Amino acid sequence: QVQLQESGPGLVKPSETLSLTCTVSGGSITPYFWSWIRQPAGKRMEWLGRIYSNGNANYNPSLGSRVSMSVDTSKNQVSLRLRSLTAADTAVYYCARDNPDFYYYYMDFWGKGTPVTVSS
Amino acid sequence: EIVLTQFPGTLSLSPGERATLSCRASQNVRSTSLDWYQHKPGQAPRLLIYNASSRAAGIPDKFSGSGSGTDFTLTISRLEPEDFAVYFCQQYGNSLFTFGPGTKVDI
Repeated sequence: QVQLQESGPGLVKPSETLSLTCTVSGGSITPYFWSWIRQPAGKRMEWLGRIYSNGNANYNPSLGSRVSMSVDTSKNQVSLRLRSLTAADTAVYYCARDNPDFYYYYMDFWGKGTPVTVSS
Repeated sequence: EIVLTQFPGTLSLSPGERATLSCRASQNVRSTSLDWYQHKPGQAPRLLIYNASSRAAGIPDKFSGSGSGTDFTLTISRLEPEDFAVYFCQQYGNSLFTFGPGTKVDI
C-alpha cells in the first residue's frame, strides 16, 4: 500500500520560504504525477500544483512565481517550496498522487497533511 | 477556473438512513475528471468515486456517484457510524484541479 508522509516546519515567519517534503513509501514515485494541496482552516482545499516524476511541473496560476516543486527519485521524495509567505499561507498542506492511469483525473493516495502557521 | 458548490453544507442524519450529497459546477465538467472524497479529521482524504460514477478500489457499494455536465451526486445508501465525515468533490479542468467546500454528514 502506497503511503505518503508530509514533513516540514510547523511555524514559518512572514516573508520567508516554506519548504515541505513528501516521502513516498510502499511504491515508487515513478512514473506518476504528484500534487500539493492546502486547506486553510474553515476553507476549501486549494490545489497548488503538480509535478511528474521526470521533473516537469505545472502550478496554480494564483500563486504566481512563488511556488516551485521538485522530485528526488533516489529518496522517493517530492518537495514543495513556497516563497514570500504571508498569514494567508497558513494551512494544512497535503501531498497526493494524481492521475495514476493517465486518463481519469483523481488523487488515489494522500498524506495526512502537515499544518503550517505563518507568524512572526 | 471552474468553481464547485456543494449542498447542503451540513446533513444531519441517523445510522441506516440514506444520504444524498450534491456538487454543482460553474461550467461543464468532464465526467472523467469529477471525483468524490471522504475526509475525517486528522486523516488522509480517501478517494471514493472517480469518473463521476466509478467506485475506487476497496470502496463498498453503499457509495455511488452519478451525474454529468454541471450536476453531480454522491449517494450513501445506508449510513453506518464510520460514514459520518466530510465529503468533498473535485474536478480537473483547464489544467487546474478545484475542490468543493465539502458537505459534513453528522448525526
